[in-house]
Amino acid sequence: EVQLVQSGAEVKKPGESLRISCKGSGYSFTSYCISWVRQMPGKGLEWLGRIDPSDSSMKYNPSFQGHVTISVDKSTSTAYLQWSSLKASDTAMYHCARHMESYSWYAAFDYWGHGTLVTASS
Amino acid sequence: EIVLTQSPGTLSLSPGERATLSCRASQSVSGSDLAWYQQKPGQVPRLLIYGASRRATGIPDRFSGSGSGTDFTLTISRLEAEDLAVYYCQQYGSSPVAFGGGTKVEI
Repeated sequence: EVQLVQSGAEVKKPGESLRISCKGSGYSFTSYCISWVRQMPGKGLEWLGRIDPSDSSMKYNPSFQGHVTISVDKSTSTAYLQWSSLKASDTAMYHCARHMESYSWYAAFDYWGHGTLVTASS
Repeated sequence: EIVLTQSPGTLSLSPGERATLSCRASQSVSGSDLAWYQQKPGQVPRLLIYGASRRATGIPDRFSGSGSGTDFTLTISRLEAEDLAVYYCQQYGSSPVAFGGGTKVEI
């Protein structure tokens, strides 16, 4: 069974750093890209960027580039999303999602993590 | 950058009725690389349709997708109470990936 298990909810202060995780299981982790999607409270879905675990190549949404960093650890089948300095406006649910076609950046998302709620508040 | 506009914002229908949801792109979507997702309250988005018209695994045949270029449609042929959700379209054929603003279906 394909699963993406995300780390738990986080409460941080603006200016603090944070890294959240997404561990894949039940499939060949390096064969499928992972994307990160933001959902602010009561709002829609926004794509942050994606990573190809086979070579760690990344592509970011220009709207988020420079503010978040996506990385991967093949040895533990885990993808990460991190901030060096959180803003209050980063408060949102963050989902990881698997691309449905192997070795393809351009694919729909067939499996989603349950989401990590990040709260940045002073 | 492709912008997706969904309409209507909210659709209020009765069980058994047909729902027609629209997604319009600001420029042509590459290779019909358009998907539809269903997000029920408190749940994670679920893939319904990809490639504009292909149903994902396990999706009932009352859900269908159509369209190409800049105009796409999701049709739910016979609404059931469990279809209460927000539906999002997504283009994934070019970067950045974009989602529409969503259509809320009320039963």
